[in-house]
Amino acid sequence: SQQGEEDPQALSIQEGENATMNCSYKTSINNLQWYRQNSGRGLVHLILIRSNEREKHSGRLRVTLDTSKKSSSLLITASRAADTASYFCATDEPHAGNMLTFGGGTRLMVKP
Amino acid sequence: DGGITQSPKYLFRKEGQNVTLSCEQNLNHDAMYWYRQDPGQGLRLIYYSQIVNDFQKGDIAEGYSVSREKKESFPLTVTSAQKNPTAFYLCASSIESGEAQHFGDGTRLSIL
Repeated sequence: SQQGEEDPQALSIQEGENATMNCSYKTSINNLQWYRQNSGRGLVHLILIRSNEREKHSGRLRVTLDTSKKSSSLLITASRAADTASYFCATDEPHAGNMLTFGGGTRLMVKP
Repeated sequence: DGGITQSPKYLFRKEGQNVTLSCEQNLNHDAMYWYRQDPGQGLRLIYYSQIVNDFQKGDIAEGYSVSREKKESFPLTVTSAQKNPTAFYLCASSIESGEAQHFGDGTRLSIL
């Protein structure tokens, strides 16, 4: 089953620009998480935002959560070539034994 | 340094052969997971274990088996019953279900 759906599927920007990725989900959640995956590597956890939180920051990353719209966004400010990767949202669903359900990802390319 | 180690990095399977993928963690995490990732796709849960000597099927368990005899180790066997095993396999762990997951660097399995 796939709960989170990222939008857009692919994004290409210039270095220094901001990148915004969106995630929509269907059922209630305990938390929503964002991960990064560089080509051929494992996923790296970026941010976890709980259902009672609306916004969270970590360095150049800003995550928002709107539970009424069942959506989240990940903003990367002042992007760098090293930010080139795939970004996945994952939802922790209480009715699914607290297993994470991952979306299909957004492939971000940052051109130098 | 704490982390998750997956081995081997590349694995080739012959027709009718079972192969075992190794996953070891020294993070003292209770929960461990196996995911399958196909090209350009998100992650699908194969099996998970929330505690030693216990494990549960995920969304795509058919053709796979696991064991959890030690807290640190969660090996995955891809059996001959799995007719389309070519994929990237990722192992992860977390303090408990639903929390941030730490991933290994994956094993890429191909058919000879």
